[in-house]
Amino acid sequence: EDKVVQSPLSLVVHEGDTVTLNCSYEVTNFRSLLWYKQEKKAPTFLFMLTSSGIEKKSGRLSSILDKKELSSILNITATQTGDSAIYLCASDSGGGADGLTFGKGTHLIIQP
Amino acid sequence: NAGVTQTPKFRILKIGQSMTLQCAQDMNHNYMYWYRQDPGMGLKLIYYSVGAGITDKGEVPNGYNVSRSTTEDFPLRLELAAPSQTSVYFCASSFRLAGMTYEQYFGPGTRLTVT
Repeated sequence: EDKVVQSPLSLVVHEGDTVTLNCSYEVTNFRSLLWYKQEKKAPTFLFMLTSSGIEKKSGRLSSILDKKELSSILNITATQTGDSAIYLCASDSGGGADGLTFGKGTHLIIQP
Repeated sequence: NAGVTQTPKFRILKIGQSMTLQCAQDMNHNYMYWYRQDPGMGLKLIYYSVGAGITDKGEVPNGYNVSRSTTEDFPLRLELAAPSQTSVYFCASSFRLAGMTYEQYFGPGTRLTVT
C-alpha cells in the first residue's frame, strides 16, 4: 500500500521566518510527487516533481525531490500571513488505483 | 472556463437517506476523481474514472457508487448514508496520458453531515 507521511503536522511561525515542510513517500512505481496548498476550500496546485525535474521554484516557494531518500521538502522564505494554509503532499504511482495518495498535511500558521 | 464545479456546497442527511453529489468539468479532461477529506487527514480516493463509461475503485469505495456517462459529469451516489460518511467531498479532474502525471484540478467541495 502506498504511503505518504508529512511532518510536522502543524507549525506556527512569525511573519518573515523561513519554513521547511517535509514529505516522505513509500510507493510502488513512483512517477511524481505533488505539492498542494489548501486554504479554506479546494487544494490548489503548487509543484510537481519527477525523476526528470527534481527542483522547482516559484517566487518565495521552492521544492526539492530527493530520490535516494524518497522524500521532498517545501521551502517558504520570508513568510507572509497569506501563506497560512494546509500544505498537502501527494504521490502519483503506477501501483494500485490511478489517483493521488495524499499525506495528512502540514497546517502552517503565520503570525503577524 | 468554470473549471470543476460541485453541487451542493452543504448538505445534512439523516442516517439511511440517499443522495447524489454532482460534479462537472468543462476542461475536456479524460480523468475524474472523487476524494473525501476528514478533519486532520489528507484526501482519500473513493472512485475514479479514466473516461466515459469506465470507472474504478479507489482506496475507500464502500458505501458509494459512481457513473460516468459523459466526459463532463461524474456524480457520486450515497445509497444508505451512515455517520462515518460525514466528511468533505472533493471532485477533481485531470488530463492524463498513460504513464504520465498531470496536475489535478479540484472543485470547491461538498460538506456532508450525516446524523
